[in-house]
Amino acid sequence: NAGVTQTPKFRVLKTGQSMTLLCAQDMNHEYMYWYRQDPGMGLRLIHYSVGEGTTAKGEVPDGYNVSRLKKQNFLLGLESAAPSQTSVYFCASRPHRAGDQPQHFGDGTRLSIL
Amino acid sequence: TQLLEQSPQFLSIQEGENLTVYCNSSSVFSSLQWYRQEPGEGPVLLVTVVTGGEVKKLKRLTFQFGDARKDSSLHITAAQPGDTGLYLCAGGDSGAGSYQLTFGKGTKLSVIP
Repeated sequence: NAGVTQTPKFRVLKTGQSMTLLCAQDMNHEYMYWYRQDPGMGLRLIHYSVGEGTTAKGEVPDGYNVSRLKKQNFLLGLESAAPSQTSVYFCASRPHRAGDQPQHFGDGTRLSIL
Repeated sequence: TQLLEQSPQFLSIQEGENLTVYCNSSSVFSSLQWYRQEPGEGPVLLVTVVTGGEVKKLKRLTFQFGDARKDSSLHITAAQPGDTGLYLCAGGDSGAGSYQLTFGKGTKLSVIP
């Protein structure tokens, strides 16, 4: 069981460059989330999706865009990378079932912006 | 905006000692989840508590949800080096429709052999 897979695992960008982070889940989950994790800040929600073709802003959406063209994939884009976006990015998914289901996380993408 | 205050931020103890991590908020949550994260990996769920006053035990770990569903605690008995990691509490709001979680900033635990 692959669960949630994030690619790439590491990336170094120069300021102003663009890139896309890919999240893929094989659990047929409806909900998907993108977080960033910074030292001393915990996990902060960037964007999320409640189903294919739908996305919404989280707590810290500025500078990021997302797309959910297929149910199993959730893409996070940085159009013009800034040093403040240096972080570890985590993707998570959960099923549509009501109640307090856990979120399943990938192993993260470590992104450095120079 | 719902906030979760987690304390302590760092904890370094000797093997065999007991410890408690706290997670507090001024907001009511429908549930409280505890995750553990190891370096280079994503968080993994330890437990979910949903009822005020609920206590759950997972081997040497005891989780409690406050009566008012605003706070929670994690108690570890006789800590072992394998307990080392980042512990995160997360409050759930099932009424929001998106099942978002609000995370605390985490407690980094080091258990010294």
